[in-house]
Amino acid sequence: GQQLNQSPQSMFIQEGEDVSMNCTSSSIFNTWLWYKQDPGEGPVLLIALYKAGELTSNGRLTAQFGITRKDSFLNISASIPSDVGIYFCAGLQGAQKLVFGQGTRLTINP
Amino acid sequence: SQTIHQWPATLVQPVGSPLSLECTVEGTSNPNLYWYRQAAGRGLQLLFYSVGIGQISSEVPQNLSASRPQDRQFILSSKKLLLSDSGFYLCAWSVSLGSNQPQHFGDGTRLSIL
Repeated sequence: GQQLNQSPQSMFIQEGEDVSMNCTSSSIFNTWLWYKQDPGEGPVLLIALYKAGELTSNGRLTAQFGITRKDSFLNISASIPSDVGIYFCAGLQGAQKLVFGQGTRLTINP
Repeated sequence: SQTIHQWPATLVQPVGSPLSLECTVEGTSNPNLYWYRQAAGRGLQLLFYSVGIGQISSEVPQNLSASRPQDRQFILSSKKLLLSDSGFYLCAWSVSLGSNQPQHFGDGTRLSIL
């Protein structure tokens, strides 16, 4: 099935560093979503983007909906240990179909 | 506020046995409901979604089925499990009114087939 290309697949950073990850697709999406998943739990919604070019922040997280509607990025500033986890981008096509990226696994060294 | 519950949290089943995973949503009416499977270290694959009682759409051919006997209840079933059915199963819900509504996930069921 269709997938989003999410990169990088994994990141190893020092506490306090900024993080950047992105997703691209050959298809246009109406909505871009970013989720975080901790081990053994379901994904938790971080940010939802609804308009091309939209830039939205949630605390230390900032995400943008690309102008072409085919890409999005997520930035995390001043990382802290609880930021560890897997981050997924997801694109919504129509009312129900959510297509996920492969995830970015974030590891933070204290 | 809305909450979503899945159970059991973990399940170990022998090959060929039946399966029933349950998901319920509270605090909203007529939600869209979804079942996903997640392979280890990978993204989520949509299995089924439902826009109303008794209405099920299947996204991929497989050994599983879904049912929605009540407005806020979604069940994932199998008559005979295969080894390949192992994985992490996630239920999700979204508001049904309007489009582009984000989906919210339960905590999942880890299914191991022996």
